[in-house]
Amino acid sequence: GENVEQHPSTLSVQEGDSAVIKCTYSDSASNYFPWYKQELGKRPQLIIDIRSNVGEKKDQRIAVTLNKTAKHFSLHITETQPEDSAVYFCAASTHGGSQGNLIFGKGTKLSVKP
Amino acid sequence: NAGVTQTPKFQVLKTGQSMTLQCAQDMNHEYMSWYRQDPGMGLRLIHYSVGAGITDQGEVPNGYNVSRSTTEDFPLRLLSAAPSQTSVYFCASSLQGLSNQPQHFGDGTRLSIL
Repeated sequence: GENVEQHPSTLSVQEGDSAVIKCTYSDSASNYFPWYKQELGKRPQLIIDIRSNVGEKKDQRIAVTLNKTAKHFSLHITETQPEDSAVYFCAASTHGGSQGNLIFGKGTKLSVKP
Repeated sequence: NAGVTQTPKFQVLKTGQSMTLQCAQDMNHEYMSWYRQDPGMGLRLIHYSVGAGITDQGEVPNGYNVSRSTTEDFPLRLLSAAPSQTSVYFCASSLQGLSNQPQHFGDGTRLSIL
């Protein structure tokens, strides 16, 4: 089945710096790659997603890149702010089609220091 | 529009007790799923359903049962609780399959088994 590896497990940056979180997946048939942000004690919330027919997607300070050949995708956060501090999860669908399931990485705890 | 509603928010059980975690969504979503979240383990899929009357196993199904008699409800049952089932449980739903639709999570149920 699908396996998703996420690195690093913790990341500390200064406010205003950029943060990059990387994920690799094993199933070449996966075609949907969302990123979720989870604040302490709260539900995971979708922040950005990308599909396999797109190489990059941006939404203000957040961007995701996808390299299907290498089977890895990354989250980029620019001009980080203290409110970006949270745990971030990547995920990949196990296979294409309408009944794919999401497999999550183990998460990255991002700390943004003022 | 309440989204995904989980009850209860907190529960303490004794080993061997049974319990049902409730999940309801009012978005007419076909796909619903249950995850458990343990420290350092990310979100792991327990069971999922692609529509009323259809359920299937995820990554960690042992010790849990589900049913989907209506589109709106997807309860998760622990028949004989074990300490290893202490976790935070999240229910999620999406419009169709996961290949091209984001998942909406509930607020979670924090379950402790003594």
